[in-house]
Order: sequence, then C-alpha cells, then structure tokens
Amino acid sequence: DAGITQSPRHKVTETGTPVTLRCHQTENHRYMYWYRQDPGHGLRLIHYSYGVKDTDKGEVSDGYSVSRSKTEDFLLTLESATSSQTSVYFCAITGQGFEEQFFGPGTRLTVL
Amino acid sequence: AQTVTQSQPEMSVQEAETVTLSCTYDTSESDYYLFWYKQPPSRQMILVIRQEAYKQQNATENRFSVNFQKAAKSFSLKISDSQLGDAAMYFCAYRSRGNTPLVFGKGTRLSVIA
Repeated sequence: DAGITQSPRHKVTETGTPVTLRCHQTENHRYMYWYRQDPGHGLRLIHYSYGVKDTDKGEVSDGYSVSRSKTEDFLLTLESATSSQTSVYFCAITGQGFEEQFFGPGTRLTVL
Repeated sequence: AQTVTQSQPEMSVQEAETVTLSCTYDTSESDYYLFWYKQPPSRQMILVIRQEAYKQQNATENRFSVNFQKAAKSFSLKISDSQLGDAAMYFCAYRSRGNTPLVFGKGTRLSVIA
C-alpha cells in the first residue's frame, strides 16, 4: 500500500460551484499527478507537480487549477464546476524506484 | 507526443484458459517504460507488470507475462490459467524515462466466464 489517500471519495455538486479535491501522501515523494478517468478515454493527465509550488499542465488542464504548498498534499480545484467535469479523479505518486506510479483510491465527482 | 492504443475494447475468456490483450504505442524515444494496470470493480488501479524498454527479456509475474516487441512497438499481456478474479479493466501505459506522467490506452474490459 503506497500510502495515498483522496478526499472526498464521492461528491455531488451543482454547476458553477467551486470544488476542491485533496490528495495526501505519506511517502514523501516529490512527484504527484492528477488524472481523470472517463469511459472510452482511459486516464488522462490533468496536472502534475514535481515539487512544492512546482506544477505543470497536462493534456486536459482547462478548467482546473492545482496547488502544492507542502510535499504531502496536492490539491485539485475546479473553480466553477461544469457537467463535463463529471468524472472519476485519480491521484498518483511516483514509486520509490521512480518507475511505476501508485494510485489513490479515486474520487467520483458528479456535477449536476 | 506518445500515444498508446488498445484495439480491443472488450475481451472474454473461459476460466482456466489463456487470453492475450493487445497494446501498441507510438514513440520516437529509445528508452522508456511500459506497464499494464488492472482496475477491478473496486476502481483501484493495480500494477500488474512493467517492462523496461532496454531489457530484451519479457517480464513475467506469476500468471501474467508480456510479449514486448520493441521494433514493432507492441506490448501485449498474456494471462494464463485465467481466474474469476482477473475480470477487470486492463490499461496499457507508457512512460518516458525520468519522472514523467503516464500515457494510457483506453482500456480493455476482460470478462472471465466460469
């Protein structure tokens, strides 16, 4: 178990409201990632972080922002949620050997 | 940019039989990693097997093995002696060397028939 938690695990919200998802790791790893999973698309990268306050955009970053003020936490924010952001969101960290990534349990977000 | 293609959206296999899931990828890099992840109904992403591109020997993990064809850019997963617990979504993924993000295929849903 790679020591990654995500909160909340489920959330239902309304269009136009802000939403923040949290990823917390206990492994002290430098690299953290946010992906979204949608049917027919696999997992796609939203944003990633390579250190405290160091982040970069991924393939599907529009409408999302991230912050990382300390090593263990990586926050994903939807400033104004839209129905197209209904998805399952996964956080991941790079493993000790810097090879495989380990994933959190996922957050199912529904935007009505 | 790298791409990963899984051409089989769904597959099925009889319990105790062998099944092969296909994956092809496109890259101009020579050094990279390839992975197969399993996602059961619990939604948890579980690493099944990984392959380093510089290694010619195919990776194996118990009943799971890969056929890595670097020149053809092919990375198939073979599951032997299939079990009911193998039923899941399987994702093929690519990663460049260094701490780069994963690039995923769209997945193959595997059903195991008792």
